[in-house]
Amino acid sequence: QQPVQSPQAVILREGEDAVINCSSSKALYSVHWYRQKHGEAPVFLMILLKGGEQKGHEKISASFNEKKQQSSLYLTASQLSYSGTYFCGTAEIQGAQKLVFGQGTRLTINP
Amino acid sequence: SAVISQKPSRDICQRGTSLTIQCQVDSQVTMMFWYRQQPGQSLTLIATANQGSEATYESGFVIDKFPISRPNLTFSTLTVSNMSPEDSSIYLCSVEGFPNEQFFGPGTRLTVL
Repeated sequence: QQPVQSPQAVILREGEDAVINCSSSKALYSVHWYRQKHGEAPVFLMILLKGGEQKGHEKISASFNEKKQQSSLYLTASQLSYSGTYFCGTAEIQGAQKLVFGQGTRLTINP
Repeated sequence: SAVISQKPSRDICQRGTSLTIQCQVDSQVTMMFWYRQQPGQSLTLIATANQGSEATYESGFVIDKFPISRPNLTFSTLTVSNMSPEDSSIYLCSVEGFPNEQFFGPGTRLTVL
């Protein structure tokens, strides 16, 4: 079953923060976050494994609450380059690479 | 991460014809995946391609429509058979990385007239 992302779209000014949520009705082993720019392939951002860990990469970080089967992606002090559609992909089983993707969140950063 | 290439990058095809998409990886990988992304939509897994065995198809996708080959650990092909306009999509291959990461190729943009 497809995870649900929220919001569906968000528009920010450069420098503002954003949070994108991904929620599943099934028990998850891992959550994968990708960013896709128009006309390009999805680019891997990070993976979060069961255990409630949090990861960060520069000004982009994420958390995974395995009890709630929810993950959140945090974009701090957004840059123009952050624009794109963000997808979460979920896996139910350890080691399984079959990902089920959410419907996507379109992020627009304006100057 | 692995370097993944796909051919063709885009094509325009006539209804009823077939197109074979190639996916090449610069290193050996155990599992390769084929996804479809319809216009403005999310990614949907078509099948998992394992070397030396039949591909495993997801619900809604059948081998007759989307035959897959995986002759070695660096290469796979996906054929879209007897195409209709509804097959117009971006087709992406992906490979597993380490640990548990998955990387996508550049995609093949298919338009069926």
